[in-house]
Amino acid sequence: DVKVTQSSRYLVKRTGEKVFLECVQDMDHENMFWYRQDPGLGLRLIYFSYDVKMKEKGDIPEGYSVSREKKERFSLILESASTNQTSMYLCASSYSGSEQFFGPGTRLTVL
Amino acid sequence: GEDVEQSLFLSVREGDSSVINCTYTDSSSTYLYWYKQEPGAGLQLLTYIFSNMDMKQDQRLTVLLNKKDKHLSLRIADTQTGDSAIYFCAERRTSGTYKYIFGTGTRLKVLA
Repeated sequence: DVKVTQSSRYLVKRTGEKVFLECVQDMDHENMFWYRQDPGLGLRLIYFSYDVKMKEKGDIPEGYSVSREKKERFSLILESASTNQTSMYLCASSYSGSEQFFGPGTRLTVL
Repeated sequence: GEDVEQSLFLSVREGDSSVINCTYTDSSSTYLYWYKQEPGAGLQLLTYIFSNMDMKQDQRLTVLLNKKDKHLSLRIADTQTGDSAIYFCAERRTSGTYKYIFGTGTRLKVLA
């Protein structure tokens, strides 16, 4: 079975802190994605990556950056966390042309 | 626009059928998906349909696709309390850089 893991299920940070969210997949997928999920807004794509060291902006990249140094790992970075970044963050991976496989999510609260 | 639209809530009685509807926007989408999200968890793929199909059945699940109206539905027969969850439809677009567009999600509540 494909497994996508995220480093934390719950995280509480303070405004202005630098936050790292890690995602690891074990199925050699080329593509990896970061979404945030907010009530009534569904999933919104922050960034995605289709290969190591490659990244593309999604629909809401502002305030975020990403890193993909190894194929299995895709990191989301909040350079200076703000309260409006309180959300559920979901990581996903896929082969090209296939469905996405999701991690369990990280619920981030920024105080 | 880019939106994939779903109604936010649906409530049904145990044993009844549930129908969750979705409208999408891009006629070039090749795959359409239904995902289920249980409380506190990520999304799990339930089923998908190719854009050249009208219908797909998988045990209690039936997916109907009306490509002309860009309308997708998920029917769950004999709905159980364990089906209570949020259901997302998603389209995979092939125009430009391919990406997945998700709907807002429909929260299904099954009453015993």
